[in-house]
Amino acid sequence: NAGVMQNPRHLVRRRGQEARLRCSPMKGHSHVYWYRQLPEEGLKFMVYLQKENIIDESGMPKERFSAEFPKEGPSILRIQQVVRGDSAAYFCASLPSGGPDTQYFGPGTRLTVL
Amino acid sequence: GDSVTQMEGPVTLSEEAFLTINCTYTATGYPSLFWYVQYPGEGLQLLLKATKADDKGSNKGFEATYRKETTSFHLEKGSVQVSDSAVYFCALSDQGGAQKLVFGQGTRLTINP
Repeated sequence: NAGVMQNPRHLVRRRGQEARLRCSPMKGHSHVYWYRQLPEEGLKFMVYLQKENIIDESGMPKERFSAEFPKEGPSILRIQQVVRGDSAAYFCASLPSGGPDTQYFGPGTRLTVL
Repeated sequence: GDSVTQMEGPVTLSEEAFLTINCTYTATGYPSLFWYVQYPGEGLQLLLKATKADDKGSNKGFEATYRKETTSFHLEKGSVQVSDSAVYFCALSDQGGAQKLVFGQGTRLTINP
C-alpha cells in the first residue's frame, strides 16, 4: 500500500508566478489535510478537505491560496502570484473515513520563491 | 484556542544518554496526543500516540504518557542512538470535528557518537 504521495518534491517559482502542489492520499483515504512549515518552525494547519468538499479552511490565507480535492485525481493546493514569504515546505496528510485519528504525512513539497 | 508548547532546542546528547523532551498542551476537551519525528529532508513520521488520560504510547524505545493533571506528554528514551538525531514534534488532535493537528514548534535533537 503506497503511502501519501506529493509532487513535485521541490518547486522553484519567481515572484508573481503560480504554484501548484499535488497530493495523492493513501489508498482508501478520503480525507486530506494541508500544512505549511516555515523555516525552523512547526507545522501550521491550512485546510481540510474531503472528496469534492472543503470542510475547514480556517488556516488558509484569505487571498491567493486555494485548495481542491476532486472526485477523481489528487488534491491540489494552488498559490497564485507567489511572494517570497510563501517559501516553505507544504505537507499533505491523509486519514481514512471513520478510521482512527492518525494522519499519515507525505514527504512534502519544498517551495522556493525567488 | 488549542496550543502545544515544547521544550526549546536544540538538544545535543551523547550516545546512550537518557532523553527527555518536554511537551505541555492547552486544549478544551480531551484531545489525542502525538509525537512525530522528522528526519532531514523528509516528511513527518508518527512515532507514538495516546488517546486518553494515563495512556502510554511507545515505539522504538521511546515512551510518552498522557498526563491530564499536568497537561503534559513528555517524550523519553532510556538510551539514545546516533540514528535518533532528528526533529521531534509534539501535537494534539483538535476534537472539534476536523481533527486537525496542532503542533509544537519542534525540538532538534543531535546525538553525538
